[in-house]
Amino acid sequence: KQEVTQIPAALSVPEGENLVLNCSFTDSAIYNLQWFRQDPGKGLTSLLLIQSSQREQTSGRLNASLDKSSGRSTLYIAASQPGDSATYLCAVEAAGNKLTFGGGTRVLVKP
Amino acid sequence: NAGVTQTPKFRVLKTGQSMTLLCAQDMNHEYMYWYRQDPGMGLRLIHYSVGEGTTAKGEVPDGYNVSRLKKQNFLLGLESAAPSQTSVYFCASSYTAQSSYEQYFGPGTRLTVT
Repeated sequence: KQEVTQIPAALSVPEGENLVLNCSFTDSAIYNLQWFRQDPGKGLTSLLLIQSSQREQTSGRLNASLDKSSGRSTLYIAASQPGDSATYLCAVEAAGNKLTFGGGTRVLVKP
Repeated sequence: NAGVTQTPKFRVLKTGQSMTLLCAQDMNHEYMYWYRQDPGMGLRLIHYSVGEGTTAKGEVPDGYNVSRLKKQNFLLGLESAAPSQTSVYFCASSYTAQSSYEQYFGPGTRLTVT
């Protein structure tokens, strides 16, 4: 059974510092990995999707890497801003058309 | 495009009552999903559908039923609500799966069962 873990559960950084969020998964037989952002009381917004054949994806200040063999993905957010405060979730898609989610990392960027 | 919409946004039920949550998408997506999110946990898949008229069980299907009579709609039913079903429910859709297509999420339905 696929298990996805995100450590730490919460993170607080001063504005301007780079954010590094970690995601690990137990079964490397995945089709893709997605990073989502969730604001309090809201739904999920997809940030980046990395296909299993890719090693990274970039969008603006966001960069996500994927190492399937070690079961790890890292989301980097450069020059963090207070507006980046949210919960970040990673999810992997494996056989059966299903996403398995991690528990999320709650991020607070202090002005 | 409205994307993925969910009705209602909030609901309070008494134990044993029934209700149906409606999810609608206007992106012509084939795949639709229902998840629940509990405090401190990630989302868990309840049921999903790979096309009109088809449904399949996810990770936590007990106590729920679903129907996909129209491609754009995916209904989640609770026949006899229990306090353990207090949660935030999210619907999602995607064009297909196992590829580069993202899942798009609705805003969620917050359900409390007393």
